[in-house]
Amino acid sequence: AQSVAQPEDQVNVAEGNPLTVKCTYSVSGNPYLFWYVQYPNRGLQFLLKYITGDNLVKGSYGFEAEFNKSQTSFHLKKPSALVSDSALYFCAVREGEEGGSQGNLIFGKGTKLSVKP
Amino acid sequence: DTGVSQDPRHKITKRGQNVTFRCDPISEHNRLYWYRQTLGQGPEFLTYFQNEAQLEKSRLLSDRFSAERPKGSFSTLEIQRTEQGDSAMYLCASSLAAGARFEQYFGPGTRLTVT
Repeated sequence: AQSVAQPEDQVNVAEGNPLTVKCTYSVSGNPYLFWYVQYPNRGLQFLLKYITGDNLVKGSYGFEAEFNKSQTSFHLKKPSALVSDSALYFCAVREGEEGGSQGNLIFGKGTKLSVKP
Repeated sequence: DTGVSQDPRHKITKRGQNVTFRCDPISEHNRLYWYRQTLGQGPEFLTYFQNEAQLEKSRLLSDRFSAERPKGSFSTLEIQRTEQGDSAMYLCASSLAAGARFEQYFGPGTRLTVT
């Protein structure tokens, strides 16, 4: 069965410092991996995805994520955090279509990122 | 705004009443998904359409839930005989079926409160 784990409920970072939000996954086939951000009273916004190719993917707002197949991880990173990055971050996975996936995403529980000035 | 829209944004209803939510996807997207999100949890998949065909339903989707997507455009999600456990945020997402940009784009959600 597909699953996603976000081991940290909350991550606290000082503005200007690098940030990492952790994600590990489990799928039986090739994974398609996604990061979404959710601001209060708003829907999820797509940040970035990994499908194939380069293990380091770049996305919106200066975020990037590194796919590590051996560790089944897809950690979200940013070199210099901003106060405005404070939000709820969700990692999601689906199997590739060759595995019979219809495309529905399996989400982690979310990690609250708090960036202090 | 050419994003995914949902209506209403908030719905308060009494237990036992029926409610219906609407989702308008991004116009060129042929896939449409419904998810449910409760406090402190990530979204959970409910059901999925490709064009007008409902292709997959989660076991979370009890017999009281029904979804439609007539003509492959907007979709409705109806909950009959609501229960307090149905209180949640209901999210709609749409995507292309294939191609380089098949990530799902989410609407703002409909927050349901059952009293």
